[in-house]
Amino acid sequence: AQSVTQPDIHITVSEGASLELRCNYSYGATPYLFWYVQSPGQGLQLLLKYFSGDTLVQGIKGFEAEFKRSQSSFNLRKPSVHWSDAAEYFCAVGAARSGNTGKLIFGQGTTLQVKP
Amino acid sequence: DTGVSQDPRHKITKRGQNVTFRCDPISEHNRLYWYRQTLGQGPEFLTYFQNEAQLEKSRLLSDRFSAERPKGSFSTLEIQRTEQGDSAMYLCASSLLQGRMNTEAFFGQGTRLTVV
Repeated sequence: AQSVTQPDIHITVSEGASLELRCNYSYGATPYLFWYVQSPGQGLQLLLKYFSGDTLVQGIKGFEAEFKRSQSSFNLRKPSVHWSDAAEYFCAVGAARSGNTGKLIFGQGTTLQVKP
Repeated sequence: DTGVSQDPRHKITKRGQNVTFRCDPISEHNRLYWYRQTLGQGPEFLTYFQNEAQLEKSRLLSDRFSAERPKGSFSTLEIQRTEQGDSAMYLCASSLLQGRMNTEAFFGQGTRLTVV
């Protein structure tokens, strides 16, 4: 079955510290991969996406992610976290073969708390 | 362009009542998606349209749910005879398919439904 796993439900980091959010997927075909961020009561904002090519992708707000096909992972990283990064983060996968970038399977989400 | 717009932002209804939500996608986007997100979970795909055609429906979309996109622009999602289990955030997203190229999906801020 197709699925996305975000092993960490809740993470707390200190402001200025580095961050890595994990994402593993199970997908039978070549995937499109995404990270979205959601603030309380709000919709989803795209941080970055992987369609093809370079497996290290850069996104907005200083985030990056690396696609590792052999590990079925797409971990999100940021070298220095800001208090405004506190939010919920979702990893999502779509089918590259279908070209449908909007029909996605989402992980359960990781809530990031930032300590001053 | 102001992005994907959803109305209302919040809806409280009594069990058994019908409710309708509206989504206005980004103006040139020809694909439109509906998702449901319950508390503490990632969004789950419900259905999507390409122009006015509804191309796919999830098994999550019971007979009480119906979605339309009559002119290929805005869309409505109606829930008949609401149940407490329908309480959730309903998210709309849109994307642009041109030939084989598809942009990522852009999400609205959602409609929060509470069934009492």
